[in-house]
Amino acid sequence: GAGVSQSPSNKVTEKGKDVELRCDPISGHTALYWYRQSLGQGLEFLIYFQGNSAPDKSGLPSDRFSAERTGGSVSTLTIQRTQQEDSAVYLCASSLVHPGANTEAFFGQGTRLTVV
Amino acid sequence: AQSVTQPDIHITVSEGASLELRCNYSYGATPYLFWYVQSPGQGLQLLLKYFSGDTLVQGIKGFEAEFKRSQSSFNLRKPSVHWSDAAEYFCAVGGEAGGGNKLTFGTGTQLKVEL
Repeated sequence: GAGVSQSPSNKVTEKGKDVELRCDPISGHTALYWYRQSLGQGLEFLIYFQGNSAPDKSGLPSDRFSAERTGGSVSTLTIQRTQQEDSAVYLCASSLVHPGANTEAFFGQGTRLTVV
Repeated sequence: AQSVTQPDIHITVSEGASLELRCNYSYGATPYLFWYVQSPGQGLQLLLKYFSGDTLVQGIKGFEAEFKRSQSSFNLRKPSVHWSDAAEYFCAVGGEAGGGNKLTFGTGTQLKVEL
């Protein structure tokens, strides 16, 4: 596609429910990131996928958070048993990675998650 | 581990004044450096990037940044700020050495422009 696509754009869920957030990266981009941005806060790194390498999960805040990337393309971020502190905008980004290549990240518009 | 520090959380400037947003990084090799802007209600947009070569890079919207290896800095500048520049600005570092090309972002600087 022309850009990084995230769905849904908005999600309201009840505390304790599970949610899935989807990211479609730019076609051919091998790297994919998930970030979280709480109100008035900076970007909090969650997870990074690069090609066939094991993902860097060092930013996941708890074991309620998980992500997968199927076929090296679409990614799903799952939050189990949501809590109110999970309310934030979840941003996905992708980039093209190989030696000497353009490595800037392109961001989606984000999913605004509200846990009530 | 790579890291980015943006020491100024908030900055206020008058329209027409010059602007400099600070960014310091920690990285074990030659870094790739980026500045992104996030306008209210908008996604992150790349302003400019440094990979190699000329240490003064030009970006969109009249912004420029200078890579200073000796100071581990990549400060963003604009000679004359416009009201529409009010936004949050993020510096990021990445590269191939060790980090698997993962981008690391600073916590951002919120720019307010007074008319």
